[in-house]
Amino acid sequence: NAGVTQTPKFQVLKTGQSMTLQCAQDMNHEYMSWYRQDPGMGLRLIHYSVGAGITDQGEVPNGYNVSRSTTEDFPLRLLSAAPSQTSVYFCASLGPNTYEQYFGPGTRLTVT
Amino acid sequence: ELKVEQNPLFLSMQEGKNYTIYCNYSTTSDRLYWYRQDPGKSLESLFVLLSNGAVKQEGRLMASLDTKARLSTLHITAAVHDLSATYFCAVGSGTYKYIFGTGTRLKVLA
Repeated sequence: NAGVTQTPKFQVLKTGQSMTLQCAQDMNHEYMSWYRQDPGMGLRLIHYSVGAGITDQGEVPNGYNVSRSTTEDFPLRLLSAAPSQTSVYFCASLGPNTYEQYFGPGTRLTVT
Repeated sequence: ELKVEQNPLFLSMQEGKNYTIYCNYSTTSDRLYWYRQDPGKSLESLFVLLSNGAVKQEGRLMASLDTKARLSTLHITAAVHDLSATYFCAVGSGTYKYIFGTGTRLKVLA
């Protein structure tokens, strides 16, 4: 199993550009989520999904969109990037009956 | 609204010493997690604590949970340099949300 994978690893955007951060998992987990981590802070939940077609907002959803068309993939879209979205983004999935989250390697995003 | 506080935020300790990291949370929860993060890396799961009085140990690390006090501790025994990292606790909020503490940056000095 590859576990949770994320692409790209690094990205630089200009203010106003759009992009999609990709996340995939091959463990057949229903629950997936996106977090952002800012320097000196813990992770903050952006959006999460409990299955294909079902998504909900976390703590800091503004400026981000998600959709879940398959169990495997959970992309995060930035429609109009802002410098405040400069951060490291982590995707995670949660196994059933284990309560344990598995994190991807992260995407480091810089918005200039 | 669930809030999670960790202390200390920074911890510098000598090898061989013992210390405890504290994680307090503000509302009832049925699950608490501890993670380790090395610089520039992702999060590594250390412990999942699901019930009052739960205690788990792995090597020099031991985690415990007191749901009545809304407190979890991560105890480090005889620290070694390899334990230098940032440690996060995270608390379950409702069924699907997780709130993280701000982390404890641990540096073990030789």
